[in-house]
Amino acid sequence: SAVISQKPSRDICQRGTSLTIQCQVDSQVTMMFWYRQQPGQSLTLIATANQGSEATYESGFVIDKFPISRPNLTFSTLTVSNMSPEDSSIYLCSVEDRAPGELFFGEGSRLTVL
Amino acid sequence: GENVEQHPSTLSVQEGDSAVIKCTYSDSASNYFPWYKQELGKRPQLIIDIRSNVGEKKDQRIAVTLNKTAKHFSLHITETQPEDSAVYFCAAMEGDTGRRALTFGSGTRLQVQP
Repeated sequence: SAVISQKPSRDICQRGTSLTIQCQVDSQVTMMFWYRQQPGQSLTLIATANQGSEATYESGFVIDKFPISRPNLTFSTLTVSNMSPEDSSIYLCSVEDRAPGELFFGEGSRLTVL
Repeated sequence: GENVEQHPSTLSVQEGDSAVIKCTYSDSASNYFPWYKQELGKRPQLIIDIRSNVGEKKDQRIAVTLNKTAKHFSLHITETQPEDSAVYFCAAMEGDTGRRALTFGSGTRLQVQP
């Protein structure tokens, strides 16, 4: 499986600030996916990031709140902007491992917003 | 879009018993159905999957069945062990392969009692 490094692994943030999460993959991948997992909940897709094009956002998620960069085939960032306590979640980067749909997840970034 | 429902939300079994988790999906065009296991504080990990061209797949103690007509699929774990205790998520991938988004169920917390 791919090796995914996510930073930071956890952080405590103040309301109104922004935080950028980095995702580095050890191989070139076409699609990278950003998921959110709120405490005790399931996984919800935020957006799909393709290199060289704008990210595709899911319903309920907007670029102003969750800007995404995808500068090359091994790296992506997700920024959580103007954070509120409701943004306290685990944010997970994922890539397709060997076949369409087979997602491999990073360790996640646990954000707590005070 | 796709909607995935998962039951039960919690399941407690005795070690050695079998466990069954069921999911239904709404989009008849969905063609890929993975199952993920998430241990406490860990990333979700793919444990088994099935594509719409087969009805059943087995890997040692775990198996998945798919009924396309009824739009439901199930995870079966036999001879459960304490290390099977975790949260299990089903998911479905929409038939539009260009998008390749996974929609997850709400999760089942499985507790295997020694």
